[in-house]
Amino acid sequence: AQSVTQLDSQVPVFEEAPVELRCNYSSSVSVYLFWYVQYPNQGLQLLLKYLSGSTLVKGINGFEAEFNKSQTSFHLRKPSVHISDTAEYFCAYQTGANNLFFGTGTRLTVIP
Amino acid sequence: DAGVIQSPRHEVTEMGQEVTLRCKPISGHDYLFWYRQTMMRGLELLIYFNNNVPIDDSGMPEDRFSAKMPNASFSTLKIQPSEPRDSAVYFCASKQGNQPQHFGDGTRLSIL
Repeated sequence: AQSVTQLDSQVPVFEEAPVELRCNYSSSVSVYLFWYVQYPNQGLQLLLKYLSGSTLVKGINGFEAEFNKSQTSFHLRKPSVHISDTAEYFCAYQTGANNLFFGTGTRLTVIP
Repeated sequence: DAGVIQSPRHEVTEMGQEVTLRCKPISGHDYLFWYRQTMMRGLELLIYFNNNVPIDDSGMPEDRFSAKMPNASFSTLKIQPSEPRDSAVYFCASKQGNQPQHFGDGTRLSIL
């Protein structure tokens, strides 16, 4: 069975510091991997996606993620966070079917 | 371009009442998804449509839940009768082909 695990439910970080949000996946077949962000009282917004090709994926708002097949990870990183990055971040995967399966989310809190 | 539009944004009603949530997908998108988000269970896929046809409704919790897509620009999710445990945020998402899903801002449902 396929799954994604977000290891940290909450991540506090100071403004302008780097951040890494961890995501590990488990799958015996090829998967597509995504990171979505959810701001308060809003829907989910796509940050970036990995479908194939280059393992380093750049997304919006200065975020990037690296697909690591040997470690089955897809961690999200940003070198310098802003207050406006405070939100809930979801890692998700999709197999050949169209179903999108989400992790439990990581709440990023940027401290001034 | 307009995104996925959901209505109402908030709904408060008493248990036993019928609730209808509405969704207008992005024009040209051929897939539509309904999700439910709760603190306890996170984001769950309820049902999805392709070209207005329900493809997978295995996530629909009970017979009290039903979803329809009468045309390419409109879908409804109905709960009848509603119960307090149905309280959640319900999201609609749409996509075109193999592209990522785009989410609406959700309907926050409270059943008293």
